[in-house]
Amino acid sequence: KQEVTQIPAALSVPEGENLVLNCSFTDSAIYNLQWFRQDPGKGLTSLLLIQSSQREQTSGRLNASLDKSSGRSTLYIAASQPGDSATYLCAVPETGATNKLIFGTGTLLAVQP
Amino acid sequence: EAGVVQSPRYKIIEKKQPVAFWCNPISGHNTLYWYLQNLGQGPELLIRYENEEAVDDSQLPKDRFSAERLKGVDSTLKIQPAELGDSAVYLCASSLTSGETQYFGPGTRLLVL
Repeated sequence: KQEVTQIPAALSVPEGENLVLNCSFTDSAIYNLQWFRQDPGKGLTSLLLIQSSQREQTSGRLNASLDKSSGRSTLYIAASQPGDSATYLCAVPETGATNKLIFGTGTLLAVQP
Repeated sequence: EAGVVQSPRYKIIEKKQPVAFWCNPISGHNTLYWYLQNLGQGPELLIRYENEEAVDDSQLPKDRFSAERLKGVDSTLKIQPAELGDSAVYLCASSLTSGETQYFGPGTRLLVL
């Protein structure tokens, strides 16, 4: 059964700093991996989706990398801004069930102005 | 284009009372998901619909929870009777087809007293 872990649980950084969020998963036979953002009291917004054949995906100041063999993904945020403050969750499909996402517990990010 | 719509946004009820949540997915999306998100945790899938058919309801506590998507468009999730432990956020998501990017609604925050 797939399990997803995110470290750290919470992170506070000053504005302008570059930062890395970590995600690890137990079963490396994944179909893809997604990073989501969740603002307080709101639903999830998909940020990046990395297919199993890819090593990384970029969108603006965000870069997500995937290392299937080690069961790890990182989300790199460049030049952080207060508007980046949110909870970031990663998710992978359940083993043998590509339609069922297994989420990590998230990293709560606070970017201080 | 309108996103996933959920109502109500907040609900406070006493234990043993019934409660229902409504979701209208993005127009044209065939797949609809209901998730449960406890405080500080990632979402967990309760049920997935392909059009009007429930294709994965293994995580739905069927003794008290029920769901329907009669015309393959909007969906209702019901709890009867509610228990204290049901206090959580109930998220609805939809995707064009199964396995595609999921788009989430803002959720319904339930508090059972």
